[in-house]
Amino acid sequence: IAGITQAPTSQILAAGRRMTLRCTQDMRHNAMYWYRQDLGLGLRLIHYSNTAGTTGKGEVPDGYSVSRANTDDFPLTLASAVPSQTSVYFCASSATSGSPNEQFFGPGTRLTVL
Amino acid sequence: GQNIDQPTEMTATEGAIVQINCTYQTSGFNGLFWYQQHAGEAPTFLSYNVLDGLEEKGRFSSFLSRSKGYSYLLLKELQMKDSASFLCAAADSNYQLIWGAGTKLIIKP
Repeated sequence: IAGITQAPTSQILAAGRRMTLRCTQDMRHNAMYWYRQDLGLGLRLIHYSNTAGTTGKGEVPDGYSVSRANTDDFPLTLASAVPSQTSVYFCASSATSGSPNEQFFGPGTRLTVL
Repeated sequence: GQNIDQPTEMTATEGAIVQINCTYQTSGFNGLFWYQQHAGEAPTFLSYNVLDGLEEKGRFSSFLSRSKGYSYLLLKELQMKDSASFLCAAADSNYQLIWGAGTKLIIKP
């Protein structure tokens, strides 16, 4: 593994189903982030984690939950998917959160909710 | 509120120079990032400015004016491979990034 990986690459999901998007980094970065990217809109922060064991809400957290049990993994769960959650989801990490660090992005997960 | 504005789309010719502008309004300010995103791929870091002035990095340069809430990305000697979206993002008082919607750059031969 080099950098950040995400799984799955893409997924079609029925509304009401539960889904977990996986994210793993091997850079030993403290901070991790989940964004969604929709056409015509900027990247919007869903949840973040400044360090293992802590998480925080971003701009659009409703309908999503995260956990950060260790440094490397930061899964994003949709408890009951709705069509408005159709989007491209990017996981990112940075060395720290308390200073303006470069964020490194995973390849993204394209999610379609029908 | 917090807001980032940048043009939706720009067109330029191979070999030419293009300037992509970005204006920002944030709660506090801890620097301005530019990222490049090719279609279907993840954003990748290009530059970071926190002090006023021009930072040059090869064919790409980035400028910041904190008093005007303004930045631009200058791309010289354009190549076809530079066709991509360019994202402007400002770090707020909590070091969270506020992102613009991106500028799609189309390069014609």
